[in-house]
Amino acid sequence: GQNIDQPTEMTATEGAIVQINCTYQTSGFNGLFWYQQHAGEAPTFLSYNVLDGLEEKGRFSSFLSRSKGYSYLLLKELQMKDSASYLCAVRDRWGGGNKLTFGTGTQLKVEL
Amino acid sequence: NAGVTQTPKFRILKIGQSMTLQCTQDMNHNYMYWYRQDPGMGLKLIYYSVGAGITDKGEVPNGYNVSRSTTEDFPLRLELAAPSQTSVYFCASTTLDRGHETQYFGPGTRLLVL
Repeated sequence: GQNIDQPTEMTATEGAIVQINCTYQTSGFNGLFWYQQHAGEAPTFLSYNVLDGLEEKGRFSSFLSRSKGYSYLLLKELQMKDSASYLCAVRDRWGGGNKLTFGTGTQLKVEL
Repeated sequence: NAGVTQTPKFRILKIGQSMTLQCTQDMNHNYMYWYRQDPGMGLKLIYYSVGAGITDKGEVPNGYNVSRSTTEDFPLRLELAAPSQTSVYFCASTTLDRGHETQYFGPGTRLLVL
């Protein structure tokens, strides 16, 4: 099976930088995804990592270390609209279907 | 493209009633998924399909059934609703593009079983 851990809540200030960590345990790692989910809405895709290193996309970056079973999502120049839940999800190569296992999410609150 | 659409948006059921949650995608995606999300929790996979005529169980399939007669539609059936099935249900579809999978989620169906 898989085990995914991420902090439950985080608070940060508008304009600042915040890093949301995710650790995972899986027998056949085949990709890690980050999603953003605003309250009452569906998750939206943010980033994908399958190789070690940093993937940058505008204000959002995601890092992966496969040997450590670790990823983080970095949000720069925080805006109030970034207040949302951030879900880490892992794809396992076994079992087929490109299924994802989701963490419980990190609720980020951006304050003035 | 309308993307992934789900109906209804909200429904109240009595214990023991049945209903079908509809999911349709117009992106010609082969892979489709049904998740449930309980308050403050992540998404749990109920069922998934890798193509028309092929379905398989996910992590929490008990109490649900699915079918995939066409590429576009992937309905989820609740036969005997129970309070434990009160949740938000999300349908998703995905496509592989040069080995990079992107999942698109529908807007969700909120279900309350009383």
